Amino acid sequence: AQRVTQPEKLLSVFKGAPVELKCNYSYSGSPELFWYVQYSRQRLQLLLRHISRESIKGFTADLNKGETSFHLKKPFAQEEDSAMYYCALNSGTYKYIFGTGTRLKVLA
Amino acid sequence: KAGVTQTPRYLIKTRGQQVTLSCSPISGHRSVSWYQQTPGQGLQFLFEYFSETQRNKGNFPGRFSGRQFSNSRSEMNVSTLELGDSALYLCASSEGQGVSPLHFGNGTRLTVT
Repeated sequence: AQRVTQPEKLLSVFKGAPVELKCNYSYSGSPELFWYVQYSRQRLQLLLRHISRESIKGFTADLNKGETSFHLKKPFAQEEDSAMYYCALNSGTYKYIFGTGTRLKVLA
Repeated sequence: KAGVTQTPRYLIKTRGQQVTLSCSPISGHRSVSWYQQTPGQGLQFLFEYFSETQRNKGNFPGRFSGRQFSNSRSEMNVSTLELGDSALYLCASSEGQGVSPLHFGNGTRLTVT
C-alpha cells in the first residue's frame, strides 16, 4: 500500500539552527514527491517538488530511493518558516497521498 | 488569476442531513480533487475529476459523492451526515495533465451536531 509517514508532529528549533523535517514513503514504483506548506491563516500551497531539484525559500529536499525518504532541509531556520508542512506522494493515478504533517516552530 | 474558491466557508448540519459543497477551480485548470482534513488523519483523498469524469476515488463510503460540470466547477455531496464527517473539506485544482501540482482552496469547515 502507498503510504507517507511524517514521524514528527511537532518540531521546535531556534532561529538560525538547521532544520530537517522527515518524510518516508512506501511505494514500489517511481513516485513523485512534494512538500506542501500551510502558513498561519493561509491556504495550503506547494513548496517544492523533487523533479524540480530547486531550492525554495532556502529549503531543499532530496529523494533517496534506497531509503525511501524525502526529507526537507534548511540550513538556517527563520521565524517566518513556522508553519505546517506536509509531505505528499503522487503515483500517477490522479491522487496524492499526504502525510499527517509536521508543525515547525521556529523560536526566537 | 483568481485562486480556487470554495463555498460556503462554514456549515453546521445535524446528523442525518445532507450537504453540498462547491468548488471553482483556477481558470484553465481541468482537474479538481477533494480531500478531507482532520486533526488526527491529515488529508485523506476523496475523489478526483477531470473533464467531468471521475478518474480516481478514495476509500470513503458511498455517502460521499461528487461531480464536475463542463466549466470544471465541482460539487461534493455528503448524504446522511454522521458526527464523524465533521472536518475541513479541501478542494484543489490542477492542470490535470500528467502529475501537476495542486492549488488548494481555503476549505469548507463542516460541523455535524
